[in-house]
Order: sequence, then C-alpha cells, then structure tokens
Amino acid sequence: NAGVTQTPKFQVLKTGQSMTLQCAQDMNHEYMSWYRQDPGMGLRLIHYSVGAGITDQGEVPNGYNVSRSTTEDFPLRLLSAAPSQTSVYFCASRALSYEQYFGPGTRLTVT
Amino acid sequence: GQQVMQIPQYQHVQEGEDFTTYCNSSTTLSNIQWYKQRPGGHPVFLIQLVKSGEVKKQKRLTFQFGEAKKNSSLHITATQTTDVGTYFCEGSQGNLIFGKGTKLSVKP
Repeated sequence: NAGVTQTPKFQVLKTGQSMTLQCAQDMNHEYMSWYRQDPGMGLRLIHYSVGAGITDQGEVPNGYNVSRSTTEDFPLRLLSAAPSQTSVYFCASRALSYEQYFGPGTRLTVT
Repeated sequence: GQQVMQIPQYQHVQEGEDFTTYCNSSTTLSNIQWYKQRPGGHPVFLIQLVKSGEVKKQKRLTFQFGEAKKNSSLHITATQTTDVGTYFCEGSQGNLIFGKGTKLSVKP
C-alpha cells in the first residue's frame, strides 16, 4: 500500500494563479481531510469529506474548494492564490477509528 | 467553540531529562489522539486514548487521559535525540481539533 500520496511536493505560484493539489489514498478510507500548517498555528482544517460526494468546510475554508468524486481522491483547489496561502498542506485519511494517516505534504509559496 | 490548548509551545531539554506536554480541552472529549511530527516530516499517529483515566505506555512514552476526559498528557522519560520533533494532541467531539503542538528539542 502506498498510503496517502500528495502531489506536487513543492509549488511556487504567483498571486492570482489557480492550481490543484492532488491527494490520493489506497486504504479505502471514507474520511479524508485537508490541513494547512503554519508556524506556531498547528494544523488547521480546511475542508473534509466523510465519503464520496460529501464534503464540508473546516476551520479555514475561504479561498479553497474541494470535491470527492471517488473514495480514493480528494483534490484541493486554490481558486486565486494569495500570499496568505503560503503554507504546508497536508492531506489525511482515516477509517472510523480516528487514527489519521497523513500524506508527505505540499510546500506552497505564493509570491 | 471547541478548543484544545496545548502547552508548552516549546521545550528544550538536555538528553536524558524528562519531557511532558499537556492538552486541555474546553469541553469533554470522546477520545484523544497523539501524533509526532519530525522536522520536515508529516504527523504520524502515536496512540489513541478513549477511557476516562486511561494510561498507556509505549517504551519511554506514557500517555494519560484525565478522569473528566478534558485533559491529557504525554510524558517522555529520559529523552533521546531521536525524540526531537513536534508532538500534537487531537481531540474528538464530533469534529477533530488539533492542539497547536509542543516542539521538543534535545541537546546531546
């Protein structure tokens, strides 16, 4: 099993550009989440999904969209990148047991 | 809203000293999870606590869940340089909320 995979590992965007961060898991987990991690702020939940076709907002959803067309994939879209979105982004998945499996992360810089 | 406070934010210790990080919730939790994130890495699940007053051990790590299920602690005995990283708690009450983490550095 590959677990949770994320692409790309690094990305630099200019303000106003859009892009999609990819996340996939092969553990057949129903729950998937996107977090951003900033220094001193811990992990903040952006969006989450409890199953294919179902998504909901987390703590910091503004500027991001998600969709969940399959159990395996949960892409995160930045609509119009802003410097405030410079961060490390983690995707995570879990079954019902609450143990979350995190991907390796995407380091995003917006200039 | 639900909050999980974690202290201290930073801890610097000499190798061999003990280390403790604490999590406190404003509401009663169903359970609590602990994660470790090595520098440059991603969070990795350590343990889950479910029962009131539960204590679990993993080698030099001891995890406790308070009687009221509002607080938890992670204690490392005789730290080693391999313990370096940030330790996060994550509380569950419907939603999952992470504490901001405690960054541990260990001086050899």
